[in-house]
Amino acid sequence: GAGVSQTPSNKVTEKGKYVELRCDPISGHTALYWYRQSLGQGPEFLIYFQGTGAADDSGLPNDRFFAVRPEGSVSTLKIQRTERGDSAVYLCASSKTGTNEKLFFGSGTQLSVL
Amino acid sequence: TQLLEQSPQFLSIQEGENLTVYCNSSSVFSSLQWYRQEPGEGPVLLVTVVTGGEVKKLKRLTFQFGDARKDSSLHITAAQTGDTGLYLCAGGSSNTGKLIFGQGTTLQVKP
Repeated sequence: GAGVSQTPSNKVTEKGKYVELRCDPISGHTALYWYRQSLGQGPEFLIYFQGTGAADDSGLPNDRFFAVRPEGSVSTLKIQRTERGDSAVYLCASSKTGTNEKLFFGSGTQLSVL
Repeated sequence: TQLLEQSPQFLSIQEGENLTVYCNSSSVFSSLQWYRQEPGEGPVLLVTVVTGGEVKKLKRLTFQFGDARKDSSLHITAAQTGDTGLYLCAGGSSNTGKLIFGQGTTLQVKP
């Protein structure tokens, strides 16, 4: 596609439920990033993929969070046993190679945990 | 842990005024990027600086990378209402590819 696509744009769930957030990067981009952003704050790094592998997952807050990119394109961020504190905008970005390059962001998924 | 501190966190000015936003760290970065974000959208890249002391201009915006590659500044001349938004700096590491963002500066330009 022309840009980074994230689905759904909004997700409302109940505390304790499982959610999956999807990211379709720009075709041909090998690097893919997940960030979490609270209102008026900068994006907080979660995980970074080079191809199919997670090159750096040091930002994942705990083992309830997991992300995959099985074919080196689409990525899914999975959150188990959601908590109210997980409510935020989850942003996905991609870049051609991932080193000092421009990141192209999607519009994000607004996750609300009730 | 690499951290980027932005100041000020919030800035409200009148149209036509000048302003400067600062981005500071104790860590050295291989590159420093500046993004602008509008509500409901993802950040959009404004500029990338990679060389210590580098200065780049984008119309009324001037970006500078510190000599030691630990800090950067964004100066806007004669601000316009269309400049309103969240300004973010982000530091890159050449060996990991990871990009770390500052906490952002919310700029409000009033007519």
